[in-house]
Amino acid sequence: EVQLVESGGVVVQPGGSLRLSCAASGFTFDDYAMHWVRQAPGKGLEWVSLISWDGGSTYYADSVKGRFTISRDNSKNSLYLQMNSLRAEDTALYYCAKDPTAAAGTPTFDYWGQGTLVTVSS
Amino acid sequence: DIQMTQSPSSLSASVGDRVTITCRASQSISSYLNWYQQKPGKAPKLLIYAASSLQSGVPSRFSGSGSGTDFTLTISSLQPEDFATYYCQQSYSTPGSFGQGTKLEIK
Repeated sequence: EVQLVESGGVVVQPGGSLRLSCAASGFTFDDYAMHWVRQAPGKGLEWVSLISWDGGSTYYADSVKGRFTISRDNSKNSLYLQMNSLRAEDTALYYCAKDPTAAAGTPTFDYWGQGTLVTVSS
Repeated sequence: DIQMTQSPSSLSASVGDRVTITCRASQSISSYLNWYQQKPGKAPKLLIYAASSLQSGVPSRFSGSGSGTDFTLTISSLQPEDFATYYCQQSYSTPGSFGQGTKLEIK
């Protein structure tokens, strides 16, 4: 059974930093690209970032480019999102999601975690 | 970036009804269109990929159609567990943008 478990969400002040983690199990982690998708309270879904199976390719939404960094450690079956220069508009539930392909040339989210809540507030 | 527009934004229907939700892309995306279901307090779930392919384990009352810029999600006979919010998402290019969602409520 595929499982994705996010952690690291907390309340942080504007301008602060945070690192989210996602622990994966139930599939061969290094065969697949991975994504972060977020959802602001009461709002819709917004794709944030993706990383290819080997970490060689990464992509970001314009709203987070230059502030967020996605990475993965295939030896630990883990995905990360380093979030810097946080803003109030980054407040959201952050989901880790698996792609059904290695490179995510056609980004699709076939399994999702339950999310971790990031609140940016003073 | 490709913009995705869903209609309606909300919809009231009864158990047993046939329901259709539409999604329009701002440019042609061939058949690179996915549909997700999200229930309150839960993560989204992939229902349909590549416009019309049913994800494993999804009931056959769900179906998708369309290509180019116009797509539909149809639920042939609504069940109580189908009341949720539905999102379309283009997988033609990164970012894989979502529609704004359609909230399906019980009449």
